[in-house]
Amino acid sequence: DVKVTQSSRYLVKRTGEKVFLECVQDMDHENMFWYRQDPGLGLRLIYFSYDVKMKEKGDIPEGYSVSREKKERFSLILESASTNQTSMYLCASSLGLAGDTQYFGPGTRLTVL
Amino acid sequence: ILNVEQSPQSLHVQEGDSTNFTCSFPSSNFYALHWYRWETAKSPEALFVMTLNGDEKKKGRISATLNTKEGYSYLYIKGSQPEDSATYLCAFWVMWETYKYIFGTGTRLKVLA
Repeated sequence: DVKVTQSSRYLVKRTGEKVFLECVQDMDHENMFWYRQDPGLGLRLIYFSYDVKMKEKGDIPEGYSVSREKKERFSLILESASTNQTSMYLCASSLGLAGDTQYFGPGTRLTVL
Repeated sequence: ILNVEQSPQSLHVQEGDSTNFTCSFPSSNFYALHWYRWETAKSPEALFVMTLNGDEKKKGRISATLNTKEGYSYLYIKGSQPEDSATYLCAFWVMWETYKYIFGTGTRLKVLA
């Protein structure tokens, strides 16, 4: 079974802090994704990565950066957290890009005070 | 504007009823359509990946069809059971200057015993 894990289920940070959200997958997938989910807005893609050190912006990359130094690990970075980044963050991975199933992690609920 | 619309937003059905939902998307530059089931407190679970016009996929009591020319996909559930209660999401990949992956806001299904 594919397993996608995220470093924390719940996280509380203060405005202005630098926040790291980590995602690890164990199936040697090429592609990894970061989403946020907000009520009434559905899932929105922040960034995705199709290879080590490669990244593409999704729909809402502003205020975020990502890092993929190893194939199995994809990090989402909030350089200076703001209250409007309070959300549920989901990571996913897939073998191929458009034509393959994505497997999701359990999510991290981030609250920025 | 790239937008995915799902209808209805929510519905309640009786156990044993069959039901279907719609996912509408822009038909140009289509690449792939994905269906997910998302139960409360769990991660989204992939149901189908559909890429070809006329595709029909089936998984147990759940099936889906795809019409890329007119930009819609239907998801059918035959003989709904309480465990089918979940939010059903569709998402589509499109090549629009770069790859875009857009989710609908989902159809929330409640199956009453």
